[in-house]
Amino acid sequence: DQQVKQNSPSLSVQEGRISILNCDYTNSMFDYFLWYKKYPAEGPTFLISISSIKDKNEDGRFTVFLNKSAKHLSLHIVPSQPGDSAVYFCAATTASKLTFGTGTRLQVTL
Amino acid sequence: ETGVTQTPRHLVMGMTNKKSLKCEQHLGHNAMYWYKQSAKKPLELMFVYNFKEQTENNSVPSRFSPECPNSSHLFLHLHTLQPEDSALYLCASSQDGGALNQPQHFGDGTRLSIL
Repeated sequence: DQQVKQNSPSLSVQEGRISILNCDYTNSMFDYFLWYKKYPAEGPTFLISISSIKDKNEDGRFTVFLNKSAKHLSLHIVPSQPGDSAVYFCAATTASKLTFGTGTRLQVTL
Repeated sequence: ETGVTQTPRHLVMGMTNKKSLKCEQHLGHNAMYWYKQSAKKPLELMFVYNFKEQTENNSVPSRFSPECPNSSHLFLHLHTLQPEDSALYLCASSQDGGALNQPQHFGDGTRLSIL
């Protein structure tokens, strides 16, 4: 039973456009959400997070939106850059549980 | 040297061997983690250590044995592994007592292959 789902395994976006990566969850007890980025042959790197008491968090080109009623969060990257090409993982937590999605591979094309 | 360092980067072992994975963090963090990432599957949290004490063991088989001698070092001792244990093993660290909502810093992983 996968409680955190990233239904798009891959996404291709043109440089300068907006990238939108989606994540859905089923456990209403999750109260904190994080996004990580992973390049090949490297470990994941933390990007941005959001508490369940908020619906938006912004950090430079990265914005995370949380829709609790839909149990859905999204990561917006604008403008997208070639260096953003990587696999993006969302993760959700309770006090005692941390669950990752399977990742979405983003390709930013010139 | 900074960050989280894992050795070896690659390991091939037979099912009857005993080996250890090593992780070292130079970030002054007080919590360390082991994860398993199998092909096409999400990252699975295996163990959590907070101030050298194990606080989480997510139903991991006993053929995986963690050791945390201090807040900077973490080992994963392996013995009599199975082919399905072939995966990428990632180590991470974080501040603030290992609260799971804290950002974690990951090493680059050990790619383990069981023959």
